[in-house]
Amino acid sequence: ELKVEQNPLFLSMQEGKNYTIYCNYSTTSDRLYWYRQDPGKSLESLFVLLSNGAVKQEGRLMASLDTKARLSTLHITAAVHDLSATYFCAVVDGTASKLTFGTGTRLQVTL
Amino acid sequence: GAVVSQHPSRVICKSGTSVKIECRSLDFQATTMFWYRQFPKQSLMLMATSNEGSKATYEQGVEKDKFLINHASLTLSTLTVTSAHPEDSSFYICSALHAGNGDKLFFGSGTQLSVL
Repeated sequence: ELKVEQNPLFLSMQEGKNYTIYCNYSTTSDRLYWYRQDPGKSLESLFVLLSNGAVKQEGRLMASLDTKARLSTLHITAAVHDLSATYFCAVVDGTASKLTFGTGTRLQVTL
Repeated sequence: GAVVSQHPSRVICKSGTSVKIECRSLDFQATTMFWYRQFPKQSLMLMATSNEGSKATYEQGVEKDKFLINHASLTLSTLTVTSAHPEDSSFYICSALHAGNGDKLFFGSGTQLSVL
């Protein structure tokens, strides 16, 4: 059974600081996604990572994937308040495109 | 970009009644859709995989007679919560698989169900 864990579960950080969210998964997969969720809302797609060593960047967010370590990271650079949200990683489970979601990281950026 | 419409966005019902939630892919055909449930401050849990023209595949622990899924067309899947109880109160999210777009998944806007 595929298990996906994120840490930390909660992160409070000051504006302007950098931080990294980690996503570990238990079995081999060929796709990993990062999503953002605002309270009461659905998911906003951030990144899809398809291969070992893949790195993608959008604004202050950068995601990377190490398939050998079964680890993905989401790095936040110079955080701003607008980034406050819950971030999920999700890993494709098998060939059926089923997604198993991580536990989520609630990010709170304080002024 | 591809759009998935989910309706209603919010529903309040009495215990014992049934509630139907619709998930439509507006600009693509989706032979496969997924239904997730999310409790407050928790992650998304896959409930079932909805396949057009065939029976849905339910995840372990999800009662198929309680959560009826119908995928009668290539653009519509419905989830009916039958005889709803307060413990069914949750945020339900659907996603549709866009095979013509690299198997990308597009998510609906979610339905907040509150059972009184």
